[in-house]
Amino acid sequence: AQKITQTQPGMFVQEKEAVTLDCTYDTSDQSYGLFWYKQPSSGEMIFLIYQGSYDEQNATEGRYSLNFQKARKSANLVISASQLGDSAMYFCAMTQVFTDKLIFGTGTRLQVFP
Amino acid sequence: DGGITQSPKYLFRKEGQNVTLSCEQNLNHDAMYWYRQDPGQGLRLIYYAQRVNDFQKGDIADGYSVSREKKESCPLTVTSAQKNPTAFYLCASSIVRQGLYSGNTIYFGEGSWLTVV
Repeated sequence: AQKITQTQPGMFVQEKEAVTLDCTYDTSDQSYGLFWYKQPSSGEMIFLIYQGSYDEQNATEGRYSLNFQKARKSANLVISASQLGDSAMYFCAMTQVFTDKLIFGTGTRLQVFP
Repeated sequence: DGGITQSPKYLFRKEGQNVTLSCEQNLNHDAMYWYRQDPGQGLRLIYYAQRVNDFQKGDIADGYSVSREKKESCPLTVTSAQKNPTAFYLCASSIVRQGLYSGNTIYFGEGSWLTVV
């Protein structure tokens, strides 16, 4: 069975510093997608970044990058130059093969302080 | 603007009543999904519909039903059989792409808060 593990329930980072949110996954499939979503207190789930299992390069989207280590089955999110507005819950997720059904981790609450 | 619209944002239900949550998308996406989120937890899949009139149960489908009569809409009904319906409900959609699969990006609506009183 597929599983996503986020071991950091909460993280603190100072404004303008970089932070890494950890995510490991377990799957026997060769084809899968890895995602990170941000959930602010308003509740909406905001798509941040995507990494396909066949992608050889790490995905980047602005200040977000995904450190994809396939052999270790890890997909850590790196946020560079943190901003106060980055304070939110962050969820790592993966899709089951050929279905697009997302499996979520339990999330990491990030708090950015001045 | 293109997007996924959920309504109502807040809903109160008496025990024993059915309630329907609306989800509409104008992104021309094939697949639509319903997730449930309980406080402090991640999302769990209730139902997903890969196309019109083609839907399957997710991990926690008991006490829920969906319909997908048109591509743009996928309402979720929370029935009286759902014993603990108070939660945050999120609707999502994605394009089903052909070819070598490596995941399609799934986009979410703003969610609906359901409280049983």
